[in-house]
Amino acid sequence: GQQLNQSPQSMFIQEGEDVSMNCTSSSIFNTWLWYKQDPGEGPVLLIALYKAGELTSNGRLTAQFGITRKDSFLNISASIPSDVGIYFCAGQLRPWFGTGTRLTIIP
Amino acid sequence: GAVVSQHPSRVICKSGTSVKIECRSLDFQATTMFWYRQFPKQSLMLMATSNEGSKATYEQGVEKDKFLINHASLTLSTLTVTSAHPEDSSFYICSVATGGVNQPQHFGDGTRLSIL
Repeated sequence: GQQLNQSPQSMFIQEGEDVSMNCTSSSIFNTWLWYKQDPGEGPVLLIALYKAGELTSNGRLTAQFGITRKDSFLNISASIPSDVGIYFCAGQLRPWFGTGTRLTIIP
Repeated sequence: GAVVSQHPSRVICKSGTSVKIECRSLDFQATTMFWYRQFPKQSLMLMATSNEGSKATYEQGVEKDKFLINHASLTLSTLTVTSAHPEDSSFYICSVATGGVNQPQHFGDGTRLSIL
């Protein structure tokens, strides 16, 4: 199946710091999606990207669709406690999910 | 986006019993739904694609006789874990595809299945 690798696997940051994570694929995708999952809940869509090179923002979140169509990046600015959770990228040729990045905010 | 309801949210049962999980699309007629399984600290793994009015498409390694999927209407898909065993304990999540394959999915809140 498709292989979507996310980096880093986990992050420990202080409130107010910026966060960057990325997702790489062995295949080309026409769509990249970023989801956030809170414990015991289903994933919630954060940002959808449909075009290579596209840069899209949603509040403090910014995501980019890589030019090669094999990668995507998600940045979170000025992190707050509610940003804690697991972030997944997904490619949409089939609904494949990345390995996830677990974000923890240190008080 | 679509509102997806999953029921039950949590179930605990004895080994050997069968468990049915429902996934309802409350405000969208879904011809396609997806079923995922998620083990602790792991990503979502696609189990099968549920197609309204036809047989589900299972991913490699997923036993179709073990995980029965029925998508009898445009708003309801069910996943039945037959003769469940402790290794079937997991978090099961469904999603609804609101458009073509390039459109985002909308997820239910998942079902935590624990087999004793």
